[in-house]
Amino acid sequence: GDSVTQMEGPVTLSEEACLTINCTYTATGYPSLFWYVQYPGEGLQLLLKATKADDKGSNKGFEATYRKETTSFHLEKGSVQVSDSAVYFCALSGGNTPLVFGKGTRLSVIA
Amino acid sequence: GAVVSQHPSWVICKSGTSVKIECRSLDFQATTMFWYRQFPKQSLMLMATSNEGSKATYEQGVEKDKFLINHASLTLSTLTVTSAHPEDSSFYICSASGGRMAVETQYFGPGTRLLVL
Repeated sequence: GDSVTQMEGPVTLSEEACLTINCTYTATGYPSLFWYVQYPGEGLQLLLKATKADDKGSNKGFEATYRKETTSFHLEKGSVQVSDSAVYFCALSGGNTPLVFGKGTRLSVIA
Repeated sequence: GAVVSQHPSWVICKSGTSVKIECRSLDFQATTMFWYRQFPKQSLMLMATSNEGSKATYEQGVEKDKFLINHASLTLSTLTVTSAHPEDSSFYICSASGGRMAVETQYFGPGTRLLVL
């Protein structure tokens, strides 16, 4: 079945460092891909999405490109802030079918 | 963007009691709602999928008689944890999809933290 693999955390970075969180997937057909963020004690918020190959999703300085050839959707940010500390989930599919989530990557940004 | 609310945000109850959690889509009609459970520092586990007006589809290993799901309208789904026990303590999150505002995307509620004593 469909699956999502994320790099394991936790990831600890200094403020203004570059961030990459790797995400690869296996799926039949052409899924939509998502990154969700979960701040401490809260539910998930959609961060960005891409619905077809070569699409780039971006929001709040984060971006990810749907790479069909490498089945990847890596999350990147050029300069992280303390407020970016959260757990990030890569997911696929969506719409009226259940999302398939990766295990999540915890990011801690220190000042 | 699409907004999904959950109520209550947290609840503490005694073992053996039943707890009802509401999930509402505030500005769109949710044809499908999902219920997830999340244990500390773990990913979300899908419990069930509900479509408005029909019975919920439960994932393998989820007791449908213990976790009652009702999706009576296009804006409201409820999860009732019947005869709750300490092992049911968890973070329960709903999501919703459907309608022009939320095509292809699920929007999540803020979650309900349940503690069973």
